[in-house]
Amino acid sequence: EVQLVETGGGLVQPGKSLKLTCATSGFTFSTAWMHWVRQSPDKRLEWIARIKDKSNNYATDYVESVKGRFTISRDDSKSSVYLQMNSLKEEDTATYYCTTDYWGQGVMVTVSS
Amino acid sequence: DVVMTQTPVSLPVSLGGQASISCRSSQSLVHSNGNTYLHWYLQKPGQSPQLLIYRVSNRFSGVPDRFSGSGSGTDFTLKISRVEPEDLGDYYCLQSTHFPPTFGSGTKLEIK
Repeated sequence: EVQLVETGGGLVQPGKSLKLTCATSGFTFSTAWMHWVRQSPDKRLEWIARIKDKSNNYATDYVESVKGRFTISRDDSKSSVYLQMNSLKEEDTATYYCTTDYWGQGVMVTVSS
Repeated sequence: DVVMTQTPVSLPVSLGGQASISCRSSQSLVHSNGNTYLHWYLQKPGQSPQLLIYRVSNRFSGVPDRFSGSGSGTDFTLKISRVEPEDLGDYYCLQSTHFPPTFGSGTKLEIK
């Protein structure tokens, strides 16, 4: 059974940092391109980052709104993908999902003073 | 960025009936490699999105054949026949031909 479990969310003040973890199982993680997608309170979905596999040199891509603030990374030995979020803004408030063809259950991030 | 326009916003249907959702893109979704990267997702109430259809018309693992996708270029359609209670929720299209990938704003399928 494929599982993706996100952790690390919570309430954080603007300008602070948070790191999300997505632990996976049930599929060949090492060859999967992994993504983070977020869903704002108004239910809009936004793709935010992708990391390719080793054969593609773990190349990363970001949506413009998070470039320079967020960093996606992976550890194939742990079948896990991460999202380091720095300089958080109130508009980053959302439920964050890690995805491949399957999606995790999501983790909520609230940025508020 | 490619804008994905989904219609209708809300779609009341009768159980056992048929539903059709449209997704139009602001530019062609035909990739230079000839593939069209248009996908459909369903988000059931209280759940995360799940992949239904990938690359226009391919049903993902375990998706019933009541779901079908079609279209080309900039105009795509998801059809659901014989609607069942578990089909209710929010449907989203996603294009990944152009960077960054972008989603439609969603269609809520609800009981009439």
